[in-house]
Amino acid sequence: DSGVTQTPKHLITATGQRVTLRCSPRSGDLSVYWYQQSLDQGLQFLIQYYNGEERAKGNILERFSAQQFPDLHSELNLSSLELGDSALYFCASSVGGYDTEAFFGQGTRLTVV
Amino acid sequence: ELKVEQNPLFLSMQEGKNYTIYCNYSTTSDRLYWYRQDPGKSLESLFVLLSNGAVKQEGRLMASLDTKARLSTLHITAAVHDLSATYFCAVDRQGGSEKLVFGKGTKLTVNP
Repeated sequence: DSGVTQTPKHLITATGQRVTLRCSPRSGDLSVYWYQQSLDQGLQFLIQYYNGEERAKGNILERFSAQQFPDLHSELNLSSLELGDSALYFCASSVGGYDTEAFFGQGTRLTVV
Repeated sequence: ELKVEQNPLFLSMQEGKNYTIYCNYSTTSDRLYWYRQDPGKSLESLFVLLSNGAVKQEGRLMASLDTKARLSTLHITAAVHDLSATYFCAVDRQGGSEKLVFGKGTKLTVNP
């Protein structure tokens, strides 16, 4: 158990809908990362927050947004869902700083039907 | 743009054999990570390599880093079935961002 908690574990929803994925980082970690894993694209970095502020942005669609709250948990919002958004979404956390190791949660498997 | 390439992408080997997975990356970085993923599961951190020449070993796995060649290797010694998984290398993008850029992964199957 990495200490990073993601909910829900599984999510099935229809096209056009909106969902929210939640992540609680390890105790003491200030950085939260979101990744999307699909068969064709592999592991794609979406976005990183550090202590409540956006730190880096990757291949995140405009339909997707995220935030990190004062208690350091993070939410990834996915809207106007398409079939191609079906994937495993991982959250990872790290202490932050230069020499940092990221620990991954169990992931949320999103299926869009 | 930082690119990370792993090879091979698929590796089928017999128990008891040795093999090496290679990870090349395109820009300067001195921090490299190896992760293991079982099907449908999370990524488990295996090794953190933080400097040129770093070598780390855990059981039948040994990882090394050559920052000058921009190359890391994951060596498997006397493979056993339990090592069957997908192995990813990931590199920190130097220059401020702490995000990890992952290779496509090497799917390892160890056959009895």
